[in-house]
Amino acid sequence: GAGVSQSPSNKVTEKGKDVELRCDPISGHTALYWYRQSLGQGLEFLIYFQGNSAPDKSGLPSDRFSAERTGGSVSTLTIQRTQQEDSAVYLCASSQWGSYEQYFGPGTRLTVT
Amino acid sequence: GNSVTQMEGPVTLSEEAFLTINCTYTATGYPSLFWYVQYPGEGLQLLLKATKADDKGSNKGFEATYRKETTSFHLEKGSVQVSDSAVYFCALETGGGNKLTFGTGTQLKVEL
Repeated sequence: GAGVSQSPSNKVTEKGKDVELRCDPISGHTALYWYRQSLGQGLEFLIYFQGNSAPDKSGLPSDRFSAERTGGSVSTLTIQRTQQEDSAVYLCASSQWGSYEQYFGPGTRLTVT
Repeated sequence: GNSVTQMEGPVTLSEEAFLTINCTYTATGYPSLFWYVQYPGEGLQLLLKATKADDKGSNKGFEATYRKETTSFHLEKGSVQVSDSAVYFCALETGGGNKLTFGTGTQLKVEL
């Protein structure tokens, strides 16, 4: 079956603009995670969903970042008023609840100019 | 809080050499430990895992043993191949949603 997909694969935006990043998890996976991979910070957790609820948002760097998940499936990560330090690869992963294995998507490379 | 420390790379080896990538961790509770691998141009993949002390995870010739007394989870392979060239990430999870805490990654380059 299909793996985790993310879109767009690359996004270049101007500082101050809003961006939306999309994640399509593996069908039937109830848990969904967002991570960020950047040169300065490595791989860091942002937020996770169990179904449509987000029990842990502790990794979101600021209130410019938000995420939602609808229908227990697709998730969107929104960054408002983008800053240059937001430039990174944003990774999405999904798993069956209770499983240790997270399946990662290919990522969205965000560049803020 | 939780943290993972990995040896810095890049690590450059000749084919068939022995590989060790060190990983130590700090965690509250009893973490599960993982090695993920990122091949060039590909996404992160789970390589192996260990969920309790003294467990040994293994896959594709790679092994790592969960050492609670030394808070370590070193990755080893007896004979590396060029195709093992990738970035390797050590990670832990302590429950409450299974979110992962990653190390900074170690780039491995294997040459003929």
